[in-house]
Amino acid sequence: AQKVTQAQTEISVVEKEDVTLDCVYETRDTTYYLFWYKQPPSGELVFLIRRNSFDEQNEISGRYSWNFQKSTSSFNFTITASQVVDSAVYFCALSEAIQGAQKLVFGQGTRLTINP
Amino acid sequence: GAVVSQHPSWVICKSGTSVKIECRSLDFQATTMFWYRQFPKQSLMLMATSNEGSKATYEQGVEKDKFLINHASLTLSTLTVTSAHPEDSSFYICSARDPLSFGEQFFGPGTRLTVL
Repeated sequence: AQKVTQAQTEISVVEKEDVTLDCVYETRDTTYYLFWYKQPPSGELVFLIRRNSFDEQNEISGRYSWNFQKSTSSFNFTITASQVVDSAVYFCALSEAIQGAQKLVFGQGTRLTINP
Repeated sequence: GAVVSQHPSWVICKSGTSVKIECRSLDFQATTMFWYRQFPKQSLMLMATSNEGSKATYEQGVEKDKFLINHASLTLSTLTVTSAHPEDSSFYICSARDPLSFGEQFFGPGTRLTVL
């Protein structure tokens, strides 16, 4: 069975600090996709990134970066120079197949609060 | 990017009534749509997978007679909560899979249901 674990329930930092959100996953599939979503107070999910299981290159997008390590089944997300607007709940998710039903299994979420 | 809408964005109803929530893919055809439920401060849980022209596939523990799903066209899926009770109060989110975009899921803005 697939499982996504976000051990950090809540994180609170001061603005401009760097913060890393952890994500550990379990799957028996060799082909899978990993995602990060942001959910601001409005509730709408904002897509941040998708990474397939064959691409272990780290990715950077502005202040956001992702570290994918298959050896440890982790897909961590780092925000550098955090800002108050980054405050939200962040979800890591896993999907088992891109051609099939593509069910998404979500982690429990990490509530990030950036204090001014 | 692909846009998914939901209607209504929020609804308040009396216990025992039925509520219909619509999910529409606005600029693409979605053969598959998904319905998620999110209780306060919890993660998203997949309720069912809706396939155009066929019966929905429900996740374990989700009552198919209570949560009726209809996917009558390639751009519309509806979720009807029948005989709603206060414990059905939740945030319902749909997503639509775009087969032309690596099968990626695009999420609607969600519908907040409150049953009095």
